[in-house]
Amino acid sequence: AQSVAQPEDQVNVAEGNPLTVKCTYSVSGNPYLFWYVQYPNRGLQFLLKYITGDNLVKGSYGFEAEFNKSQTSFHLKKPSALVSDSALYFCAVRDTNTGGFKTIFGAGTRLFVKA
Amino acid sequence: KAGVTQTPRYLIKTRGQQVTLSCSPISGHRSVSWYQQTPGQGLQFLFEYFSETQRNKGNFPGRFSGRQFSNSRSEMNVSTLELGDSALYLCASSLGQYGVNEQFFGPGTRLTVL
Repeated sequence: AQSVAQPEDQVNVAEGNPLTVKCTYSVSGNPYLFWYVQYPNRGLQFLLKYITGDNLVKGSYGFEAEFNKSQTSFHLKKPSALVSDSALYFCAVRDTNTGGFKTIFGAGTRLFVKA
Repeated sequence: KAGVTQTPRYLIKTRGQQVTLSCSPISGHRSVSWYQQTPGQGLQFLFEYFSETQRNKGNFPGRFSGRQFSNSRSEMNVSTLELGDSALYLCASSLGQYGVNEQFFGPGTRLTVL
């Protein structure tokens, strides 16, 4: 069965510092991996995805993520955090095995960026 | 292009009642998924539909059901409501059937069960 874990409920970082939000996954086939963000009083928005190819993927708002197959991880990163990045971040995985027609989300990590 | 719309946005029901939530996907999107979001459990997968077929269902009791129509619009129904069903119910649509495309989420329907 597929699963995804976000080991940190909350990440605190100072504005201008690099940020990392961690995600690990478990699938039986090859994974499709996604990051979404939920700002206060706004819906979930897509940030970036890994389907195949280059392990480093770049997305919206300066975010990037690195797919690491050996560590089954897909950590979200940004070189310099902004206060406006404060939000709830979700990692999601889809198993490409036959019958894996569902996207499973992690529990979410709340990011606080302090000015 | 209009986004994913969900109706109603807010619902208040009492235990034992049933409720139907509606979702209209982005034009051209044929895949629709439903999720339950609660503060303690995050996003829990409910169903995924493609071309009127339910392709997968999450670990929810049979009180939770859904369907998709030929125009890709989808509904989900919860019968015999329980207090624990209080949550934000999110609908998401995507292009294509193989999961390579990102999902676009609606604003959700907030259900409160009293």
